[in-house]
Amino acid sequence: GIQVEQSPPDLILQEGANSTLRCNFSDSVNNLQWFHQNPWGQLINLFYIPSGTKQNGRLSATTVATERYSLLYISSSQTTDSGVYFCAVAPNQAGTALIFGKGTTLSVSS
Amino acid sequence: DSGVTQTPKHLITATGQRVTLRCSPRSGDLSVYWYQQSLDQGLQFLIQYYNGEERAKGNILERFSAQQFPDLHSELNLSSLELGDSALYFCASSVAPTGYEQYFGPGTRLTVT
Repeated sequence: GIQVEQSPPDLILQEGANSTLRCNFSDSVNNLQWFHQNPWGQLINLFYIPSGTKQNGRLSATTVATERYSLLYISSSQTTDSGVYFCAVAPNQAGTALIFGKGTTLSVSS
Repeated sequence: DSGVTQTPKHLITATGQRVTLRCSPRSGDLSVYWYQQSLDQGLQFLIQYYNGEERAKGNILERFSAQQFPDLHSELNLSSLELGDSALYFCASSVAPTGYEQYFGPGTRLTVT
């Protein structure tokens, strides 16, 4: 099946710093989503981005489908950005379910 | 708020028991997915329904079953519970079965003692 690898596994930042999270996937996809899981366990949709670039405030994401990777950029990080960031994909051949990476754990300190 | 609701938020039960988790999708969404998040397995897909019919199956145990009702809400039934079934169970919904954004509910945290 498709492999989803996220890097780095852990990231520690000072408030105000910028960061880039990466997601590599091993096959073509019809869906790619980025999520933030907050300390209470909620999965928050950040981006639906099977290809192209999107921005939402301090966050932006780019997916290069032909090269099978996606990047999530966080600028001017805040303590509320702490949590786990997941990349999830749905493979073209299998269709439906999201396959999740293991996540990047981000800790932002003031 | 994603618009997907799940009840209950927390559930504590004993080994061998049976529980039912409930999910209401976003208004207009026809597809419902169930996912399990455990410490050792991460987030994994269990099962998907589309407009009342089972659409896809993932790593769902035989002790688990699900259904989607005519009003589109879904229930996940877990029976003969084991300690290892303790996990966060998420429901997600989307407009159509393939290639559309999935919206996740707040989850049900199940603890089996």
